[in-house]
Amino acid sequence: GQQVMQIPQYQHVQEGEDFTTYCNSSTTLSNIQWYKQRPGGHPVFLIQLVKSGEVKKQKRLTFQFGEAKKNSSLHITATQTTDVGTYFCAGKVGDKLTFGTGTQLKVEL
Amino acid sequence: DADVTQTPRNRITKTGKRIMLECSQTKGHDRMYWYRQDPGLGLRLIYYSFDVKDINKGEISDGYSVSRQAQAKFSLSLESAIPNQTALYFCATQGGNQPQHFGDGTRLSIL
Repeated sequence: GQQVMQIPQYQHVQEGEDFTTYCNSSTTLSNIQWYKQRPGGHPVFLIQLVKSGEVKKQKRLTFQFGEAKKNSSLHITATQTTDVGTYFCAGKVGDKLTFGTGTQLKVEL
Repeated sequence: DADVTQTPRNRITKTGKRIMLECSQTKGHDRMYWYRQDPGLGLRLIYYSFDVKDINKGEISDGYSVSRQAQAKFSLSLESAIPNQTALYFCATQGGNQPQHFGDGTRLSIL
């Protein structure tokens, strides 16, 4: 079945450093979604990318969807302590949404 | 998200016991999902439902069953709990092609 892998599994950064998480699917996706889960919380939707090569920005967050629609990345510029949490990508094929394994981000002062 | 309510929030039980986790929503969404979250494994789909009485298996349905008797409610049962079912369980809802909305989760420990 469809698999969605994310790397790295964990990332520790100093506040102000950049952070990137990568998502790779075993199959071509119709869209990709990103969610953020704060410690002790539940996943919350951030954004959806649909088009091949699409790039979207939300303040310090930049999301990219690969040309082949099989990979995606989330880049955070100048991390802040409020960015702490686990970031999940989720790839959609038909009606099925498969979540990635997640990247846990810790930000140290 | 207060629109998706999971009960209980925490549960500790013994091996072999039957457990039911409840999920209710006020969003009027047709689609509902049950996931389990384990460290390093992300969110894995257990069962999902696109309408009342519609039940579909996810990737890890063995050992679990669900019931969707009303649009607003989707319950997950563990008929005979085992320790490797210890996990954080999330219910999610979805309206059409919109993003999924998650409840606050149920932390389940099986001794």
